[in-house]
Order: sequence, then C-alpha cells, then structure tokens
Amino acid sequence: AQSVTQLGSHVSVSEGALVLLRCNYSSSVPPYLFWYVQYPNQGLQLLLKYTTGATLVKGINGFEAEFKKSETSFHLTKPSAHMSDAAEYFCAVSEGFQGAQKLVFGQGTRLTINP
Amino acid sequence: NAGVTQTPKFRILKIGQSMTLQCTQDMNHNYMYWYRQDPGMGLKLIYYSVGAGITDKGEVPNGYNVSRSTTEDFPLRLELAAPSQTSVYFCASSLPLSGGANEQFFGPGTRLTVL
Repeated sequence: AQSVTQLGSHVSVSEGALVLLRCNYSSSVPPYLFWYVQYPNQGLQLLLKYTTGATLVKGINGFEAEFKKSETSFHLTKPSAHMSDAAEYFCAVSEGFQGAQKLVFGQGTRLTINP
Repeated sequence: NAGVTQTPKFRILKIGQSMTLQCTQDMNHNYMYWYRQDPGMGLKLIYYSVGAGITDKGEVPNGYNVSRSTTEDFPLRLELAAPSQTSVYFCASSLPLSGGANEQFFGPGTRLTVL
C-alpha cells in the first residue's frame, strides 16, 4: 500500500523567509502526487499536482514542488512567505490510476508565519 | 456553481443515535468521496462512488453506510454513533481519470461530536 510521510507537524517561518515543507512517499508504481492547503474551518484546496513530465511543478500562490524519484520526495517550497500562507498543508499520493482516484494523505504540516 | 456543499456544519450526537451527513455537488462529477479527518492526522477515505448506484469501501468504512441514487448527492449514514466517530467529515468530488490526475474538490466539512 502507498503511504505518505510529512516531516514536521508544525513549521514556523518569518514573513519573507523561505518556506520548505517536506513530503516523502512510498509507492511501487510511478505515483501521482498532490499538495493541498486547508485554511481554518474550510475544506481542502489543490495547490499543485505532479502527474508525468516536468519534475518541477508550479502551483497557485507562488508555491512549487519538485518530484525526486530517487529520493521518493515531493517537497513544497515558496521563496518568500506571506502572512496569508498560514494554513495546514497536506501531501497526498494517488492510489490507483483507473476508476476512482483514491488519495492517501500525509498527517499534515501546520505552517505559521511570524511577522 | 456552489461546488460541493455539506450539511450540517456542526452536530453533537449521543452514543447510539443515528444521523445522515448530506453532500451535494453541482459540477456533474461522476466520482464522489467521503473522508474523515481526526486531530493531527491526514484524511482517511471512508467510502467512494464512481456513479449513481455504485459505491465501494475505502480505508475506514466500519460504522458507516452510503448510497448514491443521483449524480449530485452522496449521503453518509451513521447508524449507531460511537465516540470513535467524533471527527470532521469531508465530502469531495472529481471527474473520471482521463490520462491525468484529476483534482478532487472538497466541501467545507461537517464537525461531528459523539458524547
């Protein structure tokens, strides 16, 4: 079975600093990988996804992630944090490529931005 | 488009009571999903459906039932509520896969407490 591990349940950075949220996955087949963001009291929104092709994926709000097969990683970065980035971030891997796309989520990383 | 809507937003149940969590989407998505999110944990798939009349179990189906009589609606039923079912429940929907990883759209969630 596929699994996702997010290193660090809580990350705190200063406004303007680099954001780095770590995600490692296990999969026996080439995976589809996702980052979702959850703002307080809201549902999840897709930030970005990797399917095939270019390993550096750009998403919304200035976020990007790089798929590294040799490291089984899909870390999320943003060069300069903004106060509005404070939220919980989930990495997910897709289990199954036909039929329903069942997502397996990591435990989440809460990002705090310090002024 | 309203997207994915869920009712109620909050509910407190007594042990042994039953209730139905409602989920409706207006995007004409074939696939729908129910997840639960426990504190400090990622989302876990309860049930999913690939179309009207077709449902299947996810990772944590025990204690729940679903039905899918229309494309738009995917209610989740708790028959005998237990404290272990205290959680936040999210409904999501997506289009069928077509050679790529399709985004799942999430509702705002239902916060359920069982006492």
